[in-house]
Order: sequence, then C-alpha cells, then structure tokens
Amino acid sequence: DAGVTQSPTHLIKTRGQQVTLRCSPKSGHDTVSWYQQALGQGPQFIFQYYEEEERQRGNFPDRFSGHQFPNYSSELNVNALLLGDSALYLCASSFGGQQNIQYFGAGTRLSVL
Amino acid sequence: DAKTTQPPSMDCAEGRAANLPCNHSTISGNEYVYWYRQIHSQGPQYIIHGLKNNETNEMASLIITEDRKSSTLILPHATLRDTAVYYCIVRVDTGRRALTFGSGTRLQVQP
Repeated sequence: DAGVTQSPTHLIKTRGQQVTLRCSPKSGHDTVSWYQQALGQGPQFIFQYYEEEERQRGNFPDRFSGHQFPNYSSELNVNALLLGDSALYLCASSFGGQQNIQYFGAGTRLSVL
Repeated sequence: DAKTTQPPSMDCAEGRAANLPCNHSTISGNEYVYWYRQIHSQGPQYIIHGLKNNETNEMASLIITEDRKSSTLILPHATLRDTAVYYCIVRVDTGRRALTFGSGTRLQVQP
C-alpha cells in the first residue's frame, strides 16, 4: 500500500512565476491537508480539503490556492511567487474519525530565485 | 489548542532510553496529547497519542502526569535512526482541523 506521494520532489522557479504541486493521499483517506515548512521551523498549515472543498485555511494569502479531485488527490497552486515562498511543501492525508493522525508525504522542495 | 513548550534540543546515547518532555499547562479536559517526529528530509510521522492514561505502542511510551499539565515521550532503546525533531501537539480529538506544530525538540542520538 503506497503512502502519501508528492510530485515533484524538487522544483526551481523564478519570482513572479506560478507553480503547481501534486499530492496523492494514502489509500482509503479522504482528507488532504497542505503545510509549508521553512528551513529550521515546524510545518505551518496552509489549508485542508475534504469532499472537494476547502474546509479550513491557515494564515496564507490568496496567492495560495488548491483543489481536490474526485479520487481525493489534490493540488496546491501558488501564483506570483516570492522569494519567501521558498520552502518544503508537505501534503498530509487522513480519514474519518482519526483526523488527528495525519500521514505525511516526503514533500516538495520549492526554491524561488 | 493548548500551547506546548519543549526543550529545543537533547542528546541521548545509543541504546539508552530517550525521555522527551513537553509542558502543556493550559490543556483542557477534552484535549489529547499527540507526538509526531520528523526525520531529516522526510515528512512528519505520527508516533503516539493519549488523553490521561499512559500509552505504549511499538514505537514509544507516553507518560501523562495526573494533572495533565505535562507529558513525557519515552523511546526505550534509542537508535541512531531515532535522531529527529520531535513535536508535541495538544488538541481535541474531533473534527477535520489543522495540526499546529511548534519548534519541537531536536533529539540527537550519539553512537
């Protein structure tokens, strides 16, 4: 059983560009959460998707948007990239009554030059 | 969610028990204590959680004080692979909500 998979593993973009990151949840999971982790810090919550809708959002600007597909996979889009968006982006999945036990992917390392 | 306080770093000798403390003095009656860890270049990994009773699984033991204001994660026989950042998170056990990570404790297991 594959766990949470994220693609790509690494990405280099320049300021002002747009980026799309992808996540496939663990089999049987219906909820996907995205986190941003800057170097040396703990992960910060971006937003969570369930039933193809954004259910909760952290303190991130509208440049960060997402989508969940009928197969529960998800995308994170970031527009107008800033240098400060350079970070590790983590996807986590969970299900039903155990929402606090989230399974994380290895992340996508985004570098904005 | 209640605020947690953890030491920034700890060392432990390989084969010895690693005891990682967490203070959560403002915890509410319906909040659980969760522990995750993050090994370098990987995503966080769930370890264990508990409400008020001590808990044990194949990875670790969780000891929660009787007043629930603090807890200790115990890795009984630490190995080099246990070197990681350990996060203590306090939150209610219902609802689709975010996990709030602090800075955690960086555990270095020494050979």
